[in-house]
Amino acid sequence: GAVVSQHPSWVICKSGTSVKIECRSLDFQATTMFWYRQFPKQSLMLMATSNEGSKATYEQGVEKDKFLINHASLTLSTLTVTSAHPEDSSFYICSAGGPAETQYFGPGTRLLVL
Amino acid sequence: QQQVKQSPQSLIVQKGGISIINCAYENTAFDYFPWYQQFPGKGPALLIAIRPDVSEKKEGRFTISFNKSAKQFSLHIMDSQPGDSATYFCAASIGNAGNMLTFGGGTRLMVKP
Repeated sequence: GAVVSQHPSWVICKSGTSVKIECRSLDFQATTMFWYRQFPKQSLMLMATSNEGSKATYEQGVEKDKFLINHASLTLSTLTVTSAHPEDSSFYICSAGGPAETQYFGPGTRLLVL
Repeated sequence: QQQVKQSPQSLIVQKGGISIINCAYENTAFDYFPWYQQFPGKGPALLIAIRPDVSEKKEGRFTISFNKSAKQFSLHIMDSQPGDSATYFCAASIGNAGNMLTFGGGTRLMVKP
């Protein structure tokens, strides 16, 4: 089946530093990938849509200068949290539109900003 | 504005019982309705999905019932097992299933042994 991976699975960083999260489609090509944010016991909140070779589309209220998204190839999208602060601590999940017109999710990355 | 409303927020079912989770949507342009299962610390995994041209779809112990006129759909888990304890999300999208998903609020299911 189609597999989406994320790296790292968890990261702890100091306030003010930047963190990069990778999302890869391992056995299929994905023109479009999505980035979600999930707080404990809450639903997934779409942050942005990442399109290969073009600028990402951000949802209302998401700071595009803080959450930088790059979709440089059909199998890789990256999310960089710039100048991270404790309020950015969350579970970040990516997904990709894959075979059989199904969206596949990565295992998530837990970010803790101290 | 929440376009997909999910209920209940939490559900406790005895082993062997039927778990029922309901969702209602507002946007009539939605034409793809998947259900996802998520375990703590993991990403969501697709369980089952349906399109509006059918009223019911069954895969093993999981069944989706779809009511287009009422703009509602539900997930039924038959013979619920402790291993089914997880958070379930309904979702909806327009057109290709690889398109943007709008998620419901989630239901935390606990199946008691």
